[in-house]
Amino acid sequence: SFVLTQPPSVSVAPGKTARIACGGNNIGTKSVHWYQQRPGQAPVLVIKYDSDRPSGIPERFSGSNSGNMATLSITRVEAGDEADYYCQVWDNSRDVVFGGGTKLAVL
Amino acid sequence: QVQLMQSGAEARKPGASVKVSCKASGSMFVSYAIAWVRQAPGQGLEWMGWISAYVGNTNYAQKFQGRVTMTKDTSTSTAYMELMSLRSDDTAVYYCAKVVGSGGNFDSWGQGTLVTVSS
Repeated sequence: SFVLTQPPSVSVAPGKTARIACGGNNIGTKSVHWYQQRPGQAPVLVIKYDSDRPSGIPERFSGSNSGNMATLSITRVEAGDEADYYCQVWDNSRDVVFGGGTKLAVL
Repeated sequence: QVQLMQSGAEARKPGASVKVSCKASGSMFVSYAIAWVRQAPGQGLEWMGWISAYVGNTNYAQKFQGRVTMTKDTSTSTAYMELMSLRSDDTAVYYCAKVVGSGGNFDSWGQGTLVTVSS
């Protein structure tokens, strides 16, 4: 089955740019979706289909996907961005795969 | 925007079963799939399976095959997930989520249902 690999944690200072990686074999051939999950809350979709922002998501959130790596970028990071972030793809159009999640810490 | 409202927290003993419901607001419940995802304490998201739009075909993650059943009642816009032969490591928050299209993202999530399995 398809495996998505994320770093357990990323730290960034306020106002800087955070980049969260999601690795997978030829992941560039798949559509990647990203979710933000704050403590005690349900996940929220922040990027769909590699780089598309859902309504209501700030422009500071962006995504890219190529080769064996997808990346979620958050510019001008704020304290409120501190959360867990998960990437997600479909495998063989039937099974859903989540990455292990990355905890974003705002220093 | 579809809203999903899940049933309340449940406590079960090992070996028992639990059935969690997920009621959708708005129309067109028949037209989208519902996925179920769980999250053990301090752990990541784990996909359990989905039930399709219209016909209600199901696809379960291999890990749960034989132990999980997903159904839906279009007359009440409610989806259900039943997990049987519960073990202590099934203790988790269980989420339902609306699936956009085929192979798409999960654009609406329920609030989660905590299921605790303990003797």
